[in-house]
Amino acid sequence: DVKVTQSSRYLVKRTGEKVFLECVQDMDHENMFWYRQDPGLGLRLIYFSYDVKMKEKGDIPEGYSVSREKKERFSLILESASTNQTSMYLCASNSGGSGTTGELFFGEGSRLTVL
Amino acid sequence: QQQVKQSPQSLIVQKGGISIINCAYENTAFDYFPWYQQFPGKGPALLIAIRPDVSEKKEGRFTISFNKSAKQFSLHIMDSQPGDSATYFCAATIGGYNKLIFGAGTRLAVHP
Repeated sequence: DVKVTQSSRYLVKRTGEKVFLECVQDMDHENMFWYRQDPGLGLRLIYFSYDVKMKEKGDIPEGYSVSREKKERFSLILESASTNQTSMYLCASNSGGSGTTGELFFGEGSRLTVL
Repeated sequence: QQQVKQSPQSLIVQKGGISIINCAYENTAFDYFPWYQQFPGKGPALLIAIRPDVSEKKEGRFTISFNKSAKQFSLHIMDSQPGDSATYFCAATIGGYNKLIFGAGTRLAVHP
């Protein structure tokens, strides 16, 4: 089974703190994604990466950055957390190869509260 | 700007009934329409998906109906069960799987 592991399920941080959210996948997937989930807004793409050291902005990248130094690991960084970044963060991965279904495999989420 | 509009926001169905969730899209270039199911405390998981060259796809009790001319697609859950209680997201994408656009989600509660 594909497993996407988000190391922190619950975090409470203060405004202005730097926050790291870590994600690891074990299926050698090329693509990795960070989404933000808010009630009534669905899932919104923050950043994605299709290869090591490569990244592309999603729909809401402002206030976030990412790092992908190894194929299996994708980190989301909040340089200076703000209260409007309180949310559920979901990491996902999939295989970008031809003949695949494109199915996204999600982690269980990291719920971040910024005070 | 919400490119995929999903309704209703919440839905209550009695056990054995039919649950229907609707989605509408604007971009006619979308070519892949998946539905994801999310249980509390878990990440979403792919439930069923359709491409616009077919009008219907059925997998067990779950059916996607697709109306290309109306730019709408819907999920039907037949014989709904309490175990189907979850949040459902429709989505759409163009030419690959890297930028899925998700709907806002529907919270389904199936009462026994």
